[in-house]
Order: sequence, then structure tokens, then C-alpha cells
Amino acid sequence: DAGVIQSPRHEVTEMGQEVTLRCKPISGHDYLFWYRQTMMRGLELLIYFNNNVPIDDSGMPEDRFSAKMPNASFSTLKIQPSEPRDSAVYFCASRSPNRNSGYTFGSGTRLTVV
Amino acid sequence: GNSVTQMEGPVTLSEEAFLTINCTYTATGYPSLFWYVQYPGEGLQLLLKATKADDKGSNKGFEATYRKETTSFHLEKGSVQVSDSAVYFCALSVDSSNTGKLIFGQGTTLQVKP
Repeated sequence: DAGVIQSPRHEVTEMGQEVTLRCKPISGHDYLFWYRQTMMRGLELLIYFNNNVPIDDSGMPEDRFSAKMPNASFSTLKIQPSEPRDSAVYFCASRSPNRNSGYTFGSGTRLTVV
Repeated sequence: GNSVTQMEGPVTLSEEAFLTINCTYTATGYPSLFWYVQYPGEGLQLLLKATKADDKGSNKGFEATYRKETTSFHLEKGSVQVSDSAVYFCALSVDSSNTGKLIFGQGTTLQVKP
């Protein structure tokens, strides 16, 4: 199994531009989570999906952030327009139907907004 | 509410020293407990877990015992190596509806010097 795959690994963009981060979960996993990691705030849960349906998006910081999961094998996190304070590492994680199995994380996307 | 508190880092040890990273939790219900490790530039990896009181999780020489009476899940290793240098996250999952949403501690950085 290739694990959770995120792309791109690094993204540098100018303030005001649209940014799209991508995630492919592990096949058979029915939960998908998006996290943001910064030095100041640590790991923050942004949103999670179950069977492609968004369950809790209370962690999404503002309307500039949106996430979709059009099918079981793909999810996107979009920031439009981006701002320098969005600079962080964004992680995607997926989980099997067994809630005690823990998450499998992707390698993350390091976003820098200049 | 549910929360996880870890000892602040960084923790700096010499190779072959004994490691303890403290983790305490507050939870409603019966949580499952996890330790994740994050190596530089990588995503989080599940290190070990325990799903009920008195369970001991172990992996790669690391151990942690689920102590309900003290609401703790301290991580220990008898002899650390330089390669153990990483950030360690304690996490819990309390879930009656099977979302399995993880709540993470703030992370503890471990630096092992040769």
C-alpha cells in the first residue's frame, strides 16, 4: 500500500492567489481528515469526512477555506484567496472503519504564502 | 471536555539514557490512547496504542501503559538512540458514534545527543 498521498509536497504562492492541496487516502479507509500544523498553534483539525460526506468543518478558519471529497479516493483543500498567515504544513490523514486503528498521515504539504 | 496535556519540551538526552514523556488526559467515556511520532520533514506515524485500562502498548522499544486511575499514558524507552530524535504526540479518541476523531497534545520534542 502506498499510504496516504499528498501533493504537492511544497507550494510557494503569492498572497491573493488560489491554492489547492490534494490528498489520496488509503483504499478502504472511510474517514479522511485535514490538519494544519504551525509552531504557534500545533496541530489543528480543519475538517473531516466520512464516506465522502463532510461531518465537521468547525475547524476551518474562515470562508476562504473549502474542502471537497468528490469520491472515496480523492480530496482537496482549497484556499482562496491565500494570505501569509495561511503558511503552514497541511496534513491529510485517513482511517479505517476500525476506530481503534489510528490514523495514517500523509507526508504533508508545506505551504508558503509570500 | 476532552483534552490531552504533554510535558513541555524540548527533552534533551544522551544516547542510551532512559526516556519518559508524560501525558495526561481528560475524557468523557472510555478513550483509546495513542502515541504518534513525527520525524523531521515527515507526517505523523502511529507509534503505539492502548484501547482499554491497564493495556500496555509497545513498539520499537517504546512502551506506554493506559492508567485509568491517574488518567495517564506516559511514554517510556529504556535506552534512546540518536535516531529517536523527533516530536512525539500523545492523542486520545473518545467516540460513541465511531467518528474516531483524535485529540492531540501539543507535542514534545526529543533531542538525543551522541
